[in-house]
Amino acid sequence: AQRVTQPEKLLSVFKGAPVELKCNYSYSGSPELFWYVQYSRQRLQLLLRHISRESIKGFTADLNKGETSFHLKKPFAQEEDSAMYYCALKETSGSRLTFGEGTQLTVNP
Amino acid sequence: NAGVTQTPKFQVLKTGQSMTLQCAQDMNHNSMYWYRQDPGMGLRLIYYSASEGTTDKGEVPNGYNVSRLNKREFSLRLESAAPSQTSVYFCATSLAGVQQYFGPGTRLTVT
Repeated sequence: AQRVTQPEKLLSVFKGAPVELKCNYSYSGSPELFWYVQYSRQRLQLLLRHISRESIKGFTADLNKGETSFHLKKPFAQEEDSAMYYCALKETSGSRLTFGEGTQLTVNP
Repeated sequence: NAGVTQTPKFQVLKTGQSMTLQCAQDMNHNSMYWYRQDPGMGLRLIYYSASEGTTDKGEVPNGYNVSRLNKREFSLRLESAAPSQTSVYFCATSLAGVQQYFGPGTRLTVT
């Protein structure tokens, strides 16, 4: 069965510092990976997908199949990046997502 | 264009009581999902409906039932609530499983 692991429940950085949120997965097929974000008092929403290979709000994530990882990175964190971040995996077929445990990011001024 | 709506927003139940959480969408999406969100456990899939007329169990279905009433509506029922079901419940939809759109959530407390 597929599994998504986010080893850090809490992550705290200062404004302007680089930030990396870790995500590791296990899946025997070819997965599709996502990062979802939940800002305070807002709905969970898609941040980015690995297949689109785009940068959203300065965040990027690269799928590393060798290390089975999909870490989320931003070179200069902003206070408005403070949120809960979830990594999610979609199987090759079907529409289900498997979510990680989430990482609460706090960016301090 | 409301997107995904959930009712109620908050609910307190006593152990053994029953209730139904409602989810509706106006996005014309085929697939609908119910998750629960617990601290340190992330989002866990309770049930989902890939299309109108079908429902399937997710990761944590015990103690819950669902009904896909039509394409727009997907309800989650707790027949006999237990304190372990205290959680935040989210409904989500997707068109072809590519991106999921979430509702605002229902915060349920079972005493």
